[in-house]
Amino acid sequence: KAGVTQTPRYLIKTRGQQVTLSCSPISGHRSVSWYQQTPGQGLQFLFEYFSETQRNKGNFPGRFSGRQFSNSRSEMNVSTLELGDSALYLCASLDRQETQYFGPGTRLLVL
Amino acid sequence: AQSVTQLGSHVSVSEGALVLLRCNYSSSVPPYLFWYVQYPNQGLQLLLKYTSAATLVKGINGFEAEFKKSETSFHLTKPSAHMSDAAEYFCAVSEGFGNEKLTFGTGTRLTIIP
Repeated sequence: KAGVTQTPRYLIKTRGQQVTLSCSPISGHRSVSWYQQTPGQGLQFLFEYFSETQRNKGNFPGRFSGRQFSNSRSEMNVSTLELGDSALYLCASLDRQETQYFGPGTRLLVL
Repeated sequence: AQSVTQLGSHVSVSEGALVLLRCNYSSSVPPYLFWYVQYPNQGLQLLLKYTSAATLVKGINGFEAEFKKSETSFHLTKPSAHMSDAAEYFCAVSEGFGNEKLTFGTGTRLTIIP
């Protein structure tokens, strides 16, 4: 089976812009979670989607949003980018044994 | 609320020596515990997981971890370090079935000395 894929792998944006990141889960996995990884804050949970519904949400401002499509692919959007949003954004899909499998991540740099 | 503490942000061991990475957890319910490894510029790869079955869990690449409820610990070990083990290791906890949020520790960077 193919693993979790994320696009794009690298992205450079400027402050105030918005960005959309995409994640395709492992075939058959219906849950997708998003995490932000930064040197200062480490790995932090953003949100989780299952069957197109957000089930869990972390402590991030409303500028961070997401959605999931009927084929389980998920997108994450960040509006009005700030310098502090520079991070590695990781997506994970969940199997029936409650194990999360991570993609390679999208590295976002905000200038 | 659940949390994870990883003792030692950097650990160095000689090639062939024992690897011991420490993880202590806090959870209000019986936890699910995980160890992930991250190589430079890559995502997280699952090493092993504990889900209330056997307390000694064997994972990939020769790693294993033992769940000790009395010590609230889930330390990761490998009998003999290899150069390819150099990476960052993360311990994570979730509150089990129905809670898909993982709470991660701050990570331990493992360096292997030739």
